[in-house]
Amino acid sequence: DIQMTQSPSSLSASEGDRVTITCRASQSISNYLNWYQQKPGKAPKFLIFAASSLQSGVPSRFSGSGSGTDFTLTISSLQPEDFATYFCQQSYSTPYSFGQGTKLEIK
Amino acid sequence: QLHLQELGPGPVKPSETLSLICTVSGGSISTSSYYWGWIRQPPGKGLEWIGSIYYSGNTDYNPSLKSRVTISVETSKTQFSLKLSSVTAADTAVYYCTRHGAAYGGIDYWGQGTLVTVSS
Repeated sequence: DIQMTQSPSSLSASEGDRVTITCRASQSISNYLNWYQQKPGKAPKFLIFAASSLQSGVPSRFSGSGSGTDFTLTISSLQPEDFATYFCQQSYSTPYSFGQGTKLEIK
Repeated sequence: QLHLQELGPGPVKPSETLSLICTVSGGSISTSSYYWGWIRQPPGKGLEWIGSIYYSGNTDYNPSLKSRVTISVETSKTQFSLKLSSVTAADTAVYYCTRHGAAYGGIDYWGQGTLVTVSS
């Protein structure tokens, strides 16, 4: 099974900041990497697929990059609604697996 | 707009079978472009993929749960279902039904989730 490791586990930032979250796979997954945002009590929201493609309707301040084993999610200028937990997910092979999550909090 | 909704009986006792149905509205379940599946999230924890099913009935399960999981589809009713047998407290979680693309596997639609508590 492929293990996904995110860092950091939590992050404090201010509105307007640029933040980057990292996700590492235990083996190469090409670009089969997806990112999700989850707010308390809600289902995750699909943000990015294929490592760098923005899902329809997602603001352009979100971007993704990487291939192979190392990936990043960047939010260019934090907005109040961006404070949430972010998960990466590999869809290279089943069982699909998720990172443990990065909680983005207001500083 | 596609909408997924989980339906379930509520609390489940240890050793019993957890049964959930996902009703799909606003679109067809019989499409070659997508799989339909289940993901769970224990309270305060991360996400675990349980398994997926294609409209033809082909299934793929997480090996960690495979011996206890059955996912089935009823295309005529635009529903698919999850059965998890011999449950324990460790199976207490929010269960989400989902749709993911056949190409890249990104999960683009999620149900609202239903909390299933395993307790005697």
